Amino acid sequence: GQQVMQIPQYQHVQEGEDFTTYCNSSTTLSNIQWYKQRPGGHPVFLIQLVKSGEVKKQKRLTFQFGEAKKNSSLHITATQTTDVGTYFCAGPDSSNTGKLIFGQGTTLQVKP
Amino acid sequence: GAGVSQSPRYKVAKRGQDVALRCDPISGHVSLFWYQQALGQGPEFLTYFQNEAQLDKSGLPSDRFFAERPEGSVSTLKIQRTQQEDSAVYLCASSLLFGENQPQHFGDGTRLSIL
Repeated sequence: GQQVMQIPQYQHVQEGEDFTTYCNSSTTLSNIQWYKQRPGGHPVFLIQLVKSGEVKKQKRLTFQFGEAKKNSSLHITATQTTDVGTYFCAGPDSSNTGKLIFGQGTTLQVKP
Repeated sequence: GAGVSQSPRYKVAKRGQDVALRCDPISGHVSLFWYQQALGQGPEFLTYFQNEAQLDKSGLPSDRFFAERPEGSVSTLKIQRTQQEDSAVYLCASSLLFGENQPQHFGDGTRLSIL
């Protein structure tokens, strides 16, 4: 079945360092969504990318959607302790219901 | 309400007991999803409602799991004869419309522990 994979599973950085997580889908996606889940919290929607090659920025966060619409990345510049959490990418399955297939997430720890 | 509300936040049950988990989506949201999240994993789809219609229940692990949304708003996920492998966080999410380009708004989840 359709799978979404993320790497790395964990990343520990010093505050101020950059961070990147990568997402790969086994199938071409109509869009990709990114969510952030703080420890003990629930996933919170960050952004959706729809177009091939699309790049979107939110302050220090840069999101990219690959040309083939099968991969995506999230890059955080100059991490802060507030960036701590698990970042999930998710793509819709082929049923068009909106059902999302999530990656296993990348957990970011930031040392002050 | 302002967001998706789930209750209870925590539920402890003995193996074999039945449990019921409630989700109150954002008012007016057409789509409602239930996901199961194991520790250290991403959410996994259980079932989907468009208004009161359950259009996809392909993710329900067994016939012990049952979900309903009778009036197209509040939804209940029921697990009968609970087993230890049912221990997980159960997340409810809603989106304004249906279709694959809708962001989903998640509740805080119910953490279910089966002893």
